[in-house]
Amino acid sequence: ELKVEQNPLFLSMQEGKNYTIYCNYSTTSDRLYWYRQDPGKSLESLFVLLSNGAVKQEGRLMASLDTKARLSTLHITAAVHDLSATYFCAVDITQGAQKLVFGQGTRLTINP
Amino acid sequence: NAGVMQNPRHLVRRRGQEARLRCSPMKGHSHVYWYRQLPEEGLKFMVYLQKENIIDESGMPKERFSAEFPKEGPSILRIQQVVRGDSAAYFCASSGANYGYTFGSGTRLTVV
Repeated sequence: ELKVEQNPLFLSMQEGKNYTIYCNYSTTSDRLYWYRQDPGKSLESLFVLLSNGAVKQEGRLMASLDTKARLSTLHITAAVHDLSATYFCAVDITQGAQKLVFGQGTRLTINP
Repeated sequence: NAGVMQNPRHLVRRRGQEARLRCSPMKGHSHVYWYRQLPEEGLKFMVYLQKENIIDESGMPKERFSAEFPKEGPSILRIQQVVRGDSAAYFCASSGANYGYTFGSGTRLTVV
């Protein structure tokens, strides 16, 4: 059974600081997704990483994928309060049928 | 491009009643996925459907839950004889040929 594990699960940080969220998964996959969810809202797609070594950046967020290590990271640079949300990684698997398997989520709180 | 449309946004049912949740995929998408999110948890895969076919229902509870995606009309997730433990947010996603998944706004089911 595929397991997707994020850490940390809770992260409280100050504005202006840098931090990284880690996403480990237990089976081979070449596609990994990062989503943001605000309380009571749906999922907003942040990044789609399609190959080993993929790196994508949008504003203060940067995501990378190492398929050999089965690891993806979401790096936050100079955090601002607006980035407070829950962040999910999800792995796309095609064993039998295609579907996304999600990590537990990382609840990020950025304090002024 | 209206995106993935789910309705209703909020649904309240008494224990023992039936709940019907609807999802219309994005235009051009023929794959529909249902996920359940319990409070403070990640998204759990329930079922993957294509038109008139259930492809993978490995995440569906064995009893009371069913899903369909008819030739015409939206996909329906049906929960019979709801219990309090069914209270959750139910998200639908659709995908097409470009590896992207688009999520709807969700239906928040409350069983009283």
